[in-house]
This record gives sequence, C-alpha cells and structure tokens, in this order.
Amino acid sequence: DADVTQTPRNRITKTGKRIMLECSQTKGHDRMYWYRQDPGLGLRLIYYSFDVKDINKGEISDGYSVSRQAQAKFSLSLESAIPNQTALYFCATSDPKRGQLGGEKLFFGSGTQLSVL
Amino acid sequence: RKEVEQDPGPFNVPEGATVAFNCTYSNSASQSFFWYRQDCRKEPKLLMSVYSSGNEDGRFTAQLNRASQYISLLIRDSKLSDSATYLCVVNMGRGSTLGRLYFGRGTQLTVWP
Repeated sequence: DADVTQTPRNRITKTGKRIMLECSQTKGHDRMYWYRQDPGLGLRLIYYSFDVKDINKGEISDGYSVSRQAQAKFSLSLESAIPNQTALYFCATSDPKRGQLGGEKLFFGSGTQLSVL
Repeated sequence: RKEVEQDPGPFNVPEGATVAFNCTYSNSASQSFFWYRQDCRKEPKLLMSVYSSGNEDGRFTAQLNRASQYISLLIRDSKLSDSATYLCVVNMGRGSTLGRLYFGRGTQLTVWP
C-alpha cells in the first residue's frame, strides 16, 4: 500500500461545482502539503500544514481551501471550480524530526488529475 | 525573475552519453538544494540532495556554486531508464521552513538506444 494516498486519481467536473481532493498518509509525518502542476510551470505550492492546528497559504491559495482533519488527513477543496484549475494535484508529506536535510525530503502521493469543463 | 530557473530541454542523448543540467536560483540566502526526478505524469521522487562540497551517487554528481547561484546535475553513462524530467528544488526559507520550497519547471531528458 502507498504511504501517501490521494483520492480520486482522476476527476472531471463542471465549472461552478464544489470539489474535494483527499489525501491520507501512513508515514506518521506532521507536515503535509498540496501542490499543483501545470505543463511548463512546474509545481506550485497551494497550502501547507505543519501540524493539525497549523495551516498556511502557499504561492497560489486563491480559490482553494484546506482542512487538516487529523495528522494523517489533509483535504483540498475547490469551492467553485473554474477551468484554469485544471491541473495535476499532488499531496506531499515531510518529517523534520529527522534533521534539516533529511526532514526536507518530500514524499508525494500519486497525484489527482482534475479537469474542469 | 523566477525564483528557480532551469533549461526545459528537451535533452535527447544516446545511451552511454554524459549529460549535464544547470539550474539557477534567485535568493542568495537559500539554504538547501535538491534534484527530484519525475516520470511522465507520476509523482516526483527525490534523486539527490546537493551539498556545498558537491556529492556523488553512482552515475549522478551534483554540484553547488553559491557565488554564481547555480546548481548542476551530471549524469554519466546514461541509461534508457534515466529518461524522465529532472526538477531543481531550492529551499529559500531559513531552518526547515519548507513553505518556501521552490521547484523549477524541470528539464526533460530522453535517452535513446
């Protein structure tokens, strides 16, 4: 079983719909992240959470919200999806307890391809 | 200027070739540096951390030049399985502030038989 699991793997939706992408991890890491990847633009950080009570905006948080339901779960919501939110979304975790360099290693889920029509 | 810049390629090389990628970063106070590998439409995976003195892992060598603000990745004796996109990643925060981890757009490598 994957250590970082994202659901769904693929989703097609219509403009204006509310969408939730879910992420769960079995690594026991405190830190969790949501990134989006667009062709030619690389990965960009949407939101990150250093523990259950700590949530921070990343580079491109507008139009998104998150919920850290537990250490193991971090969900991303699009309240009213729009076509330019079509992208590949990745959840990731990290564990700073292992030291600065080792702790900065990101473990990614397999991604969710979202298409907004 | 983008925080982390890479030549997007594509680089097309024959098996056995040596290929090098460069990456520049904008913040001179950047603390740590990494190369990730990403196969087509799959998740990125850490390839190497980049240390000040340079480091080697088998056929892969990473170098850091703080004065010129660039890092490099050298792949020797390329294999077909090296075909992927290589992402340059820079932490521009202090300590372990991973909220300031910036990804380059990636350099695409294709190794042909």
